[in-house]
This record gives sequence, structure tokens and C-alpha cells, in this order.
Amino acid sequence: NAGVMQNPRHLVRRRGQEARLRCSPMKGHSHVYWYRQLPEEGLKFMVYLQKENIIDESGMPKERFSAEFPKEGPSILRIQQVVRGDSAAYFCASSPGPDLGQFFGPGTRLTVL
Amino acid sequence: GESVGLHLPTLSVQEGDNSIINCAYSNSASDYFIWYKQESGKGPQFIIDIRSNMDKRQGQRVTVLLNKTVKHLSLQIAATQPGDSAVYFCAEKGAAGNKLTFGGGTRVLVKP
Repeated sequence: NAGVMQNPRHLVRRRGQEARLRCSPMKGHSHVYWYRQLPEEGLKFMVYLQKENIIDESGMPKERFSAEFPKEGPSILRIQQVVRGDSAAYFCASSPGPDLGQFFGPGTRLTVL
Repeated sequence: GESVGLHLPTLSVQEGDNSIINCAYSNSASDYFIWYKQESGKGPQFIIDIRSNMDKRQGQRVTVLLNKTVKHLSLQIAATQPGDSAVYFCAEKGAAGNKLTFGGGTRVLVKP
């Protein structure tokens, strides 16, 4: 029973490039959450999605960041025109329902040069 | 606004002893709490959860206590083992919405 899958595990981008982070939820989970973590800090909520719908994007920066969870395929977190401040670990979590425990993937560590 | 905080940033424990990690939260409307364990380079691992209609829940070697009166959450680890060395986060969910708000984390170091 595979857990939450994320890829790539490590991503290096130069300033101005685009970063695409992928997340496949656990089997049977239709709720996906994205969080960002800076070194030695807790995770910060970014966005909550269900299939084809963004439910809560209150933690997402207004510019350059977008997320989707299509009917088929993984959830994608997209960061356009990356800046050094975007360097962080990005974690995806999934849950089978809206009021149930969230299970995290291994994360994608983004480094912006 | 919602916030979750921890009293101790680092906890050193002798192997075999019990560990207690504390967490304070500020949102009295929070209805669901989770403890996560995060090892270096890995994602948070679900340990145990508790809902606001309970004050205690036990798992394997772990117990979570919830005191809603003083908005305090604790995680007790029995017979701490070297594999328990990690950073532990408490997280809370408000009654409205499904996002988790995380505390800053407590590092647990188990001494052999």
C-alpha cells in the first residue's frame, strides 16, 4: 500500500525558471494539501484541493504560485519565475476525507540558485 | 489568528526513560489535533491524533493528552528508544476549514 508519492525529491532551478512539483495521494484519498517548510521551522499551509477543485488557497502567495489536482493524474504545484526565497521543502499530504488525518509524502526540496 | 507553539525546543532523554513533549495552542475553536514525527530529510510521519471531545488517547508507546481548559496538548512517549530521536510537531485544525497549523517543533535527542 504505497503512501503519498512526490517527485522530484530534489529540484534545482535558476532564478526566473519554473518549478513543477508533483504529488500522487495515497490510494483512496481524494483530498490533497500542500505545505512549505523552511529549515528548522514548522510546516506552513499553502493550499487544499479536491479533484478538479481548489477548496482553500489562503496560504498560497498571490503571484507566481498555482496548484491543480486534475481528474486524472497527480496534483501539481507550479512556481513560475522562481526566486531564491522560494527555496524550501514542499510537502504534500493527502486524506480520505475532509476531517481526517493527513498523511505526508517525502517532500520535494527546491533549491533556487 | 491561529497559532500553535511549543515550550521546549530541544529535549534530551535517556534511553528507556519516558518523554513528554508539550504544545500550547491559541485557537479555542480547534477541534482536531495531530502529533507528527519528522526525521531528517523526511516528511512528517503521523503518530497519533485526538479530537476535542476527548482528553486522552493512547497508541503504541504513545499517549496524547488534551487539556482544553488551558489549551494545552502533550505527547508522552514511553520507554524512549534511539529510533525516537527526531523533531516532533503538534498540529491543530480549526473548526472551519481543513488546513493544519503547525507548531515550531521540538527536537528529541535520545542518549544511549
